[in-house]
Amino acid sequence: DGGITQSPKYLFRKEGQNVTLSCEQNLNHDAMYWYRQDPGQGLRLIYYSQIVNDFQKGDIAEGYSVSREKKESFPLTVTSAQKNPTAFYLCASSNKGVSHTEAFFGQGTRLTVV
Amino acid sequence: KQEVTQIPAALSVPEGENLVLNCSFTDSAIYNLQWFRQDPGKGLTSLLLIQSSQREQTSGRLNASLDKSSGRSTLYIAASQPGDSATYLCAVRGTSGSRLTFGEGTQLTVNP
Repeated sequence: DGGITQSPKYLFRKEGQNVTLSCEQNLNHDAMYWYRQDPGQGLRLIYYSQIVNDFQKGDIAEGYSVSREKKESFPLTVTSAQKNPTAFYLCASSNKGVSHTEAFFGQGTRLTVV
Repeated sequence: KQEVTQIPAALSVPEGENLVLNCSFTDSAIYNLQWFRQDPGKGLTSLLLIQSSQREQTSGRLNASLDKSSGRSTLYIAASQPGDSATYLCAVRGTSGSRLTFGEGTQLTVNP
């Protein structure tokens, strides 16, 4: 089945650790996105990428890093510089072009600092 | 900067009622608007996508309208069911095409 796969579903991080969240898509989409969702709030954009080997900061990029070495993969690293990383992280993808197609989301990764 | 607002924040209705969820946005220069559903602890499921040149889209019991000039969209749900209980999010894609901006959602509860 075509779609977006995020792993792991749950992740626990100790203080001072870096952790990496995986996002893989087989929809052949050009653009991929990472969002953060906090309880009772909307989604906030962390990073996005419209093409391989290129990515841009979103609204809350501090303390996060990404890479886009392959079209189908867009991993997010939560670094120790992110002071409040506990949240629900969502990855999305879409095609880009004049009309822009639907965005599709993965099932999310819940990160908890312990 | 685009801002998206959804009203109401929460809504509780009896089963069978027709209902309307509202979404407004500040910058009318958009490519499209998308409505999503989110169940607790889950990702987002796309419900409807309206391109900027369209006025409405329908899927089953759902109908979404778009008035780009006034910066408004509505999601109409007919004959609501308990299974419709979820958070509904709208998002707009600006003409730069590079990002979706989300509202904070409307939490819908349909009571049997």
